[in-house]
Amino acid sequence: AQTVTQSQPEMSVQEAETVTLSCTYDTSESDYYLFWYKQPPSRQMILVIRQEAYKQQNATENRFSVNFQKAAKSFSLKISDSQLGDAAMYFCAYHTGGTSYGKLTFGQGTILTVHP
Amino acid sequence: EAQVTQNPRYLITVTGKKLTVTCSQNMNHEYMSWYRQDPGLGLRQIYYSMNVEVTDKGDVPEGYKVSRKEKRNFPLILESPSPNQTSLYFCASSSPGVNTGELFFGEGSRLTVL
Repeated sequence: AQTVTQSQPEMSVQEAETVTLSCTYDTSESDYYLFWYKQPPSRQMILVIRQEAYKQQNATENRFSVNFQKAAKSFSLKISDSQLGDAAMYFCAYHTGGTSYGKLTFGQGTILTVHP
Repeated sequence: EAQVTQNPRYLITVTGKKLTVTCSQNMNHEYMSWYRQDPGLGLRQIYYSMNVEVTDKGDVPEGYKVSRKEKRNFPLILESPSPNQTSLYFCASSSPGVNTGELFFGEGSRLTVL
């Protein structure tokens, strides 16, 4: 079974600075997908970024980018120019490339605090 | 607007009193699932459904039931709730082959069992 580990329960960053959230995973599969979801205080789960394992290029969405190291099974999220609205719980998640009927395996989450 | 709707958003109940959390999606998605979120554990899948009348257990199914009689609805049933089912619950939907793995989540239901 796949596992996802987020080793940083909490992180903090100053507004306008850059922060990196860590995620490692364990799998024997070669085809899979990785995600970062954001959960603000409203509890809504918001997709931040998505990475296909077969793509070597790291995904980027505006101020959010990932560092995907397939051999090391590492998938970190970098937030540049941090804003107050980035404060939230962030979850790393794994999805098999095969049929899994919509199952995501989540990490424990990292609470990000943004200081003005 | 594409959405997943859960009700109720908040519920306090007592041990043993049956309750149902409803979930409805308007995107014609085949896959639907329920997750629970607990501190330090992230989200864990309770049950999932591949289509109408087809459901199966996820990672933490004990104490829960589901049904899928219509494509848009996937209620979560707690026949005899216990305090260890106090949690934040999410319903999610997705479609096979389209943006694989991307789930659409409801807004969550905070359940407290006394």
